[in-house]
Amino acid sequence: DIQMTQSPSSLSASVGDRVTITCRASQSISSYLNWYQQKPGKAPKLLIYAASSLQSGVPSRFSGSGSGTDFTLTISSLQPEDFATYYCQQSYSTLRRLTFGPGTKVDIK
Amino acid sequence: QVQLQESGPGLVKPSETLSLTCTVSGGSISSYYWSWIRQPPGKGLEWIGYIYYSGSTNYNPSLKSRVTISVDTSKNQFSLKLSSVTAADTAVYYCARVMDGGYVVGYYMDVWGKGTTVTVSS
Repeated sequence: DIQMTQSPSSLSASVGDRVTITCRASQSISSYLNWYQQKPGKAPKLLIYAASSLQSGVPSRFSGSGSGTDFTLTISSLQPEDFATYYCQQSYSTLRRLTFGPGTKVDIK
Repeated sequence: QVQLQESGPGLVKPSETLSLTCTVSGGSISSYYWSWIRQPPGKGLEWIGYIYYSGSTNYNPSLKSRVTISVDTSKNQFSLKLSSVTAADTAVYYCARVMDGGYVVGYYMDVWGKGTTVTVSS
């Protein structure tokens, strides 16, 4: 099965900072990579699908890039409401099984 | 817009079967895949499985022997059964809609329920 890793596992940043989170797959997953944001006590929210497509209604400060095994989620200017945990998720496998990364927690410096 | 609501017992005894239902409102259950995901306290997300409205399923291999997901299109609902539960199955359980973006895009979950907490304890 495909394994997903994320780095860093946590980071501290200030409002206005540019933040980059990396997700790596154990084998090539083409562009079958999605990003979710989860705030405490809330359900996850889809931000990016297919590595770089912005979900409707998501602010343009969020962007995704990458293909193959290495992917990046970038927040261009961190806002107070962006402090949350971010998960990547792949859907590449021929059996169409879904796998989440372990998450990256973004908190206030 | 489409909304999802999980329902079911919040407390299940060890060795028994956990049963949850997700009700879809604001849209039809037809023509989509529907998924269950869980999150143990303080931990990350774990995909449990998904079902197509026609009834075909796909499960996480680590849970496959204990999981059954079913759909009732007449009620616009789909359900999860997890047998032989232990304390390790204590988690918040989410239901979600799975979009099939096709060959180029793949699968992603665009609508989520709020989640329901299930505790396994005697």
